[in-house]
Amino acid sequence: GQQLNQSPQSMFIQEGEDVSMNCTSSSIFNTWLWYKQDPGEGPVLLIALYKAGELTSNGRLTAQFGITRKDSFLNISASIPSDVGIYFCAGPGSGTYKYIFGTGTRLKVLA
Amino acid sequence: NAGVTQTPKFQVLKTGQSMTLQCAQDMNHEYMSWYRQDPGMGLRLIHYSVGAGITDQGEVPNGYNVSRSTTEDFPLRLLSAAPSQTSVYFCASSPDQGNRELFFGEGSRLTVL
Repeated sequence: GQQLNQSPQSMFIQEGEDVSMNCTSSSIFNTWLWYKQDPGEGPVLLIALYKAGELTSNGRLTAQFGITRKDSFLNISASIPSDVGIYFCAGPGSGTYKYIFGTGTRLKVLA
Repeated sequence: NAGVTQTPKFQVLKTGQSMTLQCAQDMNHEYMSWYRQDPGMGLRLIHYSVGAGITDQGEVPNGYNVSRSTTEDFPLRLLSAAPSQTSVYFCASSPDQGNRELFFGEGSRLTVL
């Protein structure tokens, strides 16, 4: 079945640094969703992407829909302590209503 | 704005007991779904529904039943709980109709002894 591979699995960064993470698929996606999950809470939608090549920002976050439609990228600029959490990529499998989630990137920010 | 509401937030069951996790949304979303999240793993789809009266299986449906009698509600039933069903369960909904953004509840933590 379809799978989403996220990298890195985890990362420690210094406050103020920029962060990059990516998500790749073996098959085409028509929608890419990026989520953040804090401990004990449900995932919160950060950015939604609908077109190949699309670049969308939400504050310090920027995400891109890869032109091959098999990957997506999330960048966080000037990280702050509250950016700590797990970031997931997700999307509905092509032609289906079954959303697939990556295994997540755990971000830890050192003050 | 209530969004997606899940109850209960915490539950402990004994093996073989049955229970229902409730999910309600007030956004008139057609699409609703249930996921389980286990340590070190992403969210895995259990069941989903594209509208009232329509349900289908996801990636890990065994041991779970669902029904969708109204647009607002999508309960998840465990008929005979097993320790392997210890997990955190999330309900999510989406407008669909071209908007595929998925919105989550806060989760229900289930422990089966």
